[in-house]
Amino acid sequence: EVQLVESGGAVVQPGGSLRLSCAASGFTFEDYGMYWVRQAPGKGLEWVSFINWDGGNIYYVDSVKGRFTISRDNSKNSLHLQMNSLRAEDTAFYFCAKDMERFMDTLPRDWGQGTLVTVSS
Amino acid sequence: IQMTQSPSTLSASVGDRVTITCRASQSIFGYLAWYQQKPGRAPKLLIYKASSLESGVPSRFSGSGSGTEFSLTISSLQPDDFATYYCQQYKSYSPWTFGQGTKVEIK
Repeated sequence: EVQLVESGGAVVQPGGSLRLSCAASGFTFEDYGMYWVRQAPGKGLEWVSFINWDGGNIYYVDSVKGRFTISRDNSKNSLHLQMNSLRAEDTAFYFCAKDMERFMDTLPRDWGQGTLVTVSS
Repeated sequence: IQMTQSPSTLSASVGDRVTITCRASQSIFGYLAWYQQKPGRAPKLLIYKASSLESGVPSRFSGSGSGTEFSLTISSLQPDDFATYYCQQYKSYSPWTFGQGTKVEIK
């Protein structure tokens, strides 16, 4: 059974930094692209970042480019999101998700339960 | 690519047939997915490739469309189906974009 468990969410001041992690199990992590998707409280879903299976292809939504960095450690089955220069509009639940197909960039299929990031003074 | 769903809210009764539409700002061929999300829960994939049913999803859910116009239909609404539904295009890698969501509520 695929399991994705996010951690690292917290309350942080504007301009601060935070590192989110996602622990993966139940599948061959190194074979799949991974996503971060966020959802502001009471709002819709917004894709944030994607990293392919070997880390060779990385994409970000424009609003986080230059501030967020996605990475993965295939030896530890873990995904990370380093978030710097945080803004109030980054406040959201952050979900990690696994791609539908091995070695492909398709769509998120399996999702974690999310971790809450609150940016507030 | 912008994704526009309608309606934003839908009031229906158990047993009703309901349809949600999703329009893309340019052709996405059949690269469209539908998700269901309940309060406090992660999204759940229902449909991919516009009309392919994800494993384990009840057959009362169906998807159709291609190009720029798509729809999700629930043939007979069940109590467990009251939730928010999102479409998502995956033709263009960056960015992947979601519709704004359609909340299906009890009439």
